[in-house]
Amino acid sequence: DGGITQSPKYLFRKEGQNVTLSCEQNLNHDAMYWYRQDPGQGLRLIYYSQIVNDFQKGDIAEGYSVSREKKESFPLTVTSAQKNPTAFYLCASRGWDSQETQYFGPGTRLLVL
Amino acid sequence: AQKVTQAQTEISVVEKEDVTLDCVYETRDTTYYLFWYKQPPSGELVFLIRRNSFDEQNEISGRYSWNFQKSTSSFNFTITASQVVDSAVYFCALRGTNAGKSTFGDGTTLTVKP
Repeated sequence: DGGITQSPKYLFRKEGQNVTLSCEQNLNHDAMYWYRQDPGQGLRLIYYSQIVNDFQKGDIAEGYSVSREKKESFPLTVTSAQKNPTAFYLCASRGWDSQETQYFGPGTRLLVL
Repeated sequence: AQKVTQAQTEISVVEKEDVTLDCVYETRDTTYYLFWYKQPPSGELVFLIRRNSFDEQNEISGRYSWNFQKSTSSFNFTITASQVVDSAVYFCALRGTNAGKSTFGDGTTLTVKP
């Protein structure tokens, strides 16, 4: 089945630790996105990539880093510089065949110990 | 710049009532796309509908219907005969063709009580 997978479902981070959230898609989509959602709030764009080996900062990129070495994968690293990382993280992708529609993964919930 | 406003933060209805979720948008692009997504308690955003700016025809899908009006920059979503399973957060989103990214509203939390 085609789709977007995110792992892990839950992630715990200790202070000062970097953690990486995985996002993989087998939809052959060119564009991928990372959003952050805080309780009771909307989605805020962290980073996005429209093509392999290229990515742009979104609205809240500070404290985060990404890479796009493969079309299928767009991992997000939450660095120790991100002082308030507790949130729900959603990955999405969009392709030429999806008629401008973004499709979302199931999300990763990050908690700070 | 793009902007999406969902003025209704929370709506509560009793099962079988009709309910309309409002969405107002701003964009300078002449060609753009509007979307509605549903976020159930599990968290994953589920795509419901897409509309492009050249197609103002309203759409009905079962109990769901959408009213797109360019004159008022609105793209409202109506659920007819609501059910408990419709309880979720609903997001409206906008993407202009000159933007590589979409803009989401803050969402409307719909609670349908039995």
